[in-house]
Amino acid sequence: EAGVTQSPTHLIKTRGQQATLRCSPISGHTSVYWYQQALGLGLQFLLWYDEGEERNRGNFPPRFSGRQFPNYSSELNVNALELEDSALYLCASSLETHRGSPLHFGNGTRLTVT
Amino acid sequence: DAKTTQPPSMDCAEGRAANLPCNHSTISGNEYVYWYRQIHSQGPQYIIHGLKNNETNEMASLIITEDRKSSTLILPHATLRDTAVYYCIVVNDYKLSFGAGTTVTVRA
Repeated sequence: EAGVTQSPTHLIKTRGQQATLRCSPISGHTSVYWYQQALGLGLQFLLWYDEGEERNRGNFPPRFSGRQFPNYSSELNVNALELEDSALYLCASSLETHRGSPLHFGNGTRLTVT
Repeated sequence: DAKTTQPPSMDCAEGRAANLPCNHSTISGNEYVYWYRQIHSQGPQYIIHGLKNNETNEMASLIITEDRKSSTLILPHATLRDTAVYYCIVVNDYKLSFGAGTTVTVRA
């Protein structure tokens, strides 16, 4: 069974540009979650999509947005990039949405903003 | 979510069992205990989770005390590939929050 796949693995952008990150969940998983893991700050919840709808978002500005496609893959867009957006962006998927259903993570996209 | 306390680091000999402790004294009745690990530059890997009962899968065993205030992750036969940061977290919803975890180093 293929795991969660993310692309690209590395992305280098300059301040003010836009970045698009992509995620394919495990087959059969309908929920996709996005997290930011910045150095020294741990894991921060960004967005949750389920059945094509945004279900919740973390404490991030509106320039962080995304969507989920009919095949349950997802895209994270970051507009007007700032230096502090440099981080590892992780996507996870789960089979169900209750707390007893584990999240399975991809290996992330390393975004560097210069 | 309840907070967890883990030792910052531990060493383990290859082939021996590794016992990783975790305290979660403020856990509430509907919160699960999850363990993930993260190898440098990779995403977190799900290991095991439980609510009240002890659990075992192909990777590890999870022992939860009767009062649920602490748990132990057991890697039965540690290999060099088990070297990673191990996170014990208490989960009420999808907003996972990882602390510093325990850096486990398996030595040959």
